[in-house]
Amino acid sequence: KNQVEQSPQSLIILEGKNCTLQCNYTVSPFSNLRWYKQDTGRGPVSLTIMTFSENTKSNGRYTATLDADTKQSSLHITASQLSDSASYICVVSYSSASKIIFGSGTRLSIRP
Amino acid sequence: DAGVIQSPRHEVTEMGQEVTLRCKPISGHNSLFWYRQTMMRGLELLIYFNNNVPIDDSGMPEDRFSAKMPNASFSTLKIQPSEPRDSAVYFCASSFRTRRDQPQHFGDGTRLSIL
Repeated sequence: KNQVEQSPQSLIILEGKNCTLQCNYTVSPFSNLRWYKQDTGRGPVSLTIMTFSENTKSNGRYTATLDADTKQSSLHITASQLSDSASYICVVSYSSASKIIFGSGTRLSIRP
Repeated sequence: DAGVIQSPRHEVTEMGQEVTLRCKPISGHNSLFWYRQTMMRGLELLIYFNNNVPIDDSGMPEDRFSAKMPNASFSTLKIQPSEPRDSAVYFCASSFRTRRDQPQHFGDGTRLSIL
């Protein structure tokens, strides 16, 4: 069964700290994996996109990793800021990118 | 760049009424997606178009839902008749789909409440 699972479901950290969000998937054939940030009341915004051959991709303080062998991805946030409070959604495309599955998201709260 | 524009931002209507949601994709993008987001089910892809042609509508919940894209700059998602379980946030997104690594750009959604 094609699935995308994210953990943790929610996370609270102090401003300035680092954190790592996890995404495990079981889809085939894999096409690409994307991380989105969704602020409350807004649409998701793309952070990173990785294809099969990419292991790491950065976007400012956000760094995504992909292990295609274990079918795991992580999103690492460095030196968190209050504006990082949002839901982070892992999205996996498969079958020549014609199919797409969304994870249920991780709700991240940054406390001052 | 204006981004993806959706209207209305909020819609409240009684069950049984027809609801039409509108989307203007980013100019030059050739793929358009309609999504629904609820607390229980998260984000779900309903249908997507490529070059104005519906490619995959397997996510459309039932015949009460229909989507059209009459030209490259406009799309509608219609629910007729609406039911309370259709209450959700509906997102439209567009992308330039010549490469697999192109991101989708989302609008800010229409929050739909069916009473």
